[in-house]
Amino acid sequence: GNSVTQMEGPVTLSEEAFLTINCTYTATGYPSLFWYVQYPGEGLQLLLKATKADDKGSNKGFEATYRKETTSFHLEKGSVQVSDSAVYFCALPSPFGNEKLTFGTGTRLTIIP
Amino acid sequence: DGGITQSPKYLFRKEGQNVTLSCEQNLNHDAMYWYRQDPGQGLRLIYYSQIVNDFQKGDIAEGYSVSREKKESFPLTVTSAQKNPTAFYLCASRHRNTEAFFGQGTRLTVV
Repeated sequence: GNSVTQMEGPVTLSEEAFLTINCTYTATGYPSLFWYVQYPGEGLQLLLKATKADDKGSNKGFEATYRKETTSFHLEKGSVQVSDSAVYFCALPSPFGNEKLTFGTGTRLTIIP
Repeated sequence: DGGITQSPKYLFRKEGQNVTLSCEQNLNHDAMYWYRQDPGQGLRLIYYSQIVNDFQKGDIAEGYSVSREKKESFPLTVTSAQKNPTAFYLCASRHRNTEAFFGQGTRLTVV
């Protein structure tokens, strides 16, 4: 089945630093790919998505490009803020009409002023 | 506003007691899911349902039960057979190949 491997955390950066959180996937076909964010004590929110190869998803200064050559969907942001401190999850659906979503293990990001 | 609502936000369970967590959505989504999240951990799938009156076990279904009598509702019961139920429980819904929408979660604590 489909799976994702996500960069281990925690990650600590200074404000205005450049962020990359790695995500690689194994999939049948070319499913949609997602990044979710979870703030403390809350549920997950969709951060961005890409529905086909070479698509770039973007939101709130974050970007991720669906790269089929390297089977990757790395999350990037040019200048992080303290408010970006959260846990980030990469996800993709299971194949063949199965409605399950498979999530990575999550990467905890802490931004220090 | 459309969305997915979990209640209660906090729940306390005594040893040997069954408790039910509520999940309601008004997004007209066919699929609904329950996940468990332990501190510092990722999400583990408990049960999911793709259609009314049908549901499948996820990776950690033992000690849990669900029902799907209405499209809008997917309650989760944590039974006394679940030996370590203290966790953060997340409900989600999804329509075909779109993204999943999550509730705000229920934090269950055994006292």
